[in-house]
Amino acid sequence: KAGVTQTPRYLIKTRGQQVTLSCSPISGHRSVSWYQQTPGQGLQFLFEYFSETQRNKGNFPGRFSGRQFSNSRSEMNVSTLELGDSALYLCASSLEGGTNEKLFFGSGTQLSVL
Amino acid sequence: AQSVTQLDSHVSVSEGTPVLLRCNYSSSYSPSLFWYVQHPNKGLQLLLKYTSAATLVKGINGFEAEFKKSETSFHLTKPSAHMSDAAEYFCVVSSSGGSYIPTFGRGTSLIVHP
Repeated sequence: KAGVTQTPRYLIKTRGQQVTLSCSPISGHRSVSWYQQTPGQGLQFLFEYFSETQRNKGNFPGRFSGRQFSNSRSEMNVSTLELGDSALYLCASSLEGGTNEKLFFGSGTQLSVL
Repeated sequence: AQSVTQLDSHVSVSEGTPVLLRCNYSSSYSPSLFWYVQHPNKGLQLLLKYTSAATLVKGINGFEAEFKKSETSFHLTKPSAHMSDAAEYFCVVSSSGGSYIPTFGRGTSLIVHP
């Protein structure tokens, strides 16, 4: 079974631009969640999608958005990039997104904002 | 509300000696607790999880953790460290009540000396 796939692996953008990251979950998984990892703030939850609906949201500004398609693939978009958005963005999938479910993580997209 | 505190940012051990990574949590509801490991340039991988079945939880690669409600702790241990255990370890709490938002500890970097 293929794991969680995130593309691209690396991305370099400049301030003010926007960026779209992609995540393909494990086949059969309906929940996809996104996380931002930085040395200063650690790992922080962005949002979770289930059956094409955003079900939970972390404490991030509206510049961070996402969506999920009918095949459970998910995209995350960040508009008007700031230097502080430089981070490793991880997505994870699980069967139903229950609180006691194991999360399967992708290798992440390393975003650098110049 | 929930939170998790990993008491050590770095732990250094010699190969073949025991490993102890400490985690304290707080949760308003019955918690689910997890330990994940992250090797460089990789996503997170589940080591083990506690979901109220047994207080001593065995995971992969010889790791185990004990849930102690009275101490609100979920420390990770391994009898004998291996060089391949060198990585970043994250303690995670999620709760059955309210919305599903996992909270990650800041991580403990395990260094294994030959």
